Amino acid sequence: DAKTTQPNSMESNEEEPVHLPCNHSTISGTDYIHWYRQLPSQGPEYVIHGLTSNVNNRMASLAIAEDRKSSTLILHRATLRDAAVYYCIPFGTYKYIFGTGTRLKVLA
Amino acid sequence: EAQVTQNPRYLITVTGKKLTVTCSQNMNHEYMSWYRQDPGLGLRQIYYSMNVEVTDKGDVPEGYKVSRKEKRNFPLILESPSPNQTSLYFCASSRDRAPYEQYFGPGTRLTVT
Repeated sequence: DAKTTQPNSMESNEEEPVHLPCNHSTISGTDYIHWYRQLPSQGPEYVIHGLTSNVNNRMASLAIAEDRKSSTLILHRATLRDAAVYYCIPFGTYKYIFGTGTRLKVLA
Repeated sequence: EAQVTQNPRYLITVTGKKLTVTCSQNMNHEYMSWYRQDPGLGLRQIYYSMNVEVTDKGDVPEGYKVSRKEKRNFPLILESPSPNQTSLYFCASSRDRAPYEQYFGPGTRLTVT
């Protein structure tokens, strides 16, 4: 199972971009990179996923390094509602390993 | 509305008294999974199921049982709960394995005294 390394916490000012890094140097060639977030007192929610190419959706963008050993979740304009714990998860089989994620604090 | 439901949402019980936490999804999903969340340890997978009658252990299966007799339901059974199973439990489902995203239930907070 691929291991991930994420910063324990990060801060951002409201309406500024946020780049959340994840290192997954042991990822296998067929693992997708999933990102989830967990708002306070809620279950995790899906944010975005990718395999090799950068991906965009309405919530965020995902930039994947060419060697796939790291990725960065980009929130283009952070809002107070984006304050959450963000998890990066290499996923290819049936087992999910969430880790402890990055706690994002958004400052008004 | 597409959703994953869990019952009960809160439960306080005593050591050794068997309990079941139910999980149901209305999205016809193949894959379902149970997690526990503890402070400082993040979310850890307990069991998962790839389809009806097909289940497998996650990272922390000790002390838990599951069954998948119907596609929509995936109950978590604690035959003899102990205080170290006090935790926040989440059920999740997805259409299939990667790359499909998981949908999580609201969580069940279990306290075992």
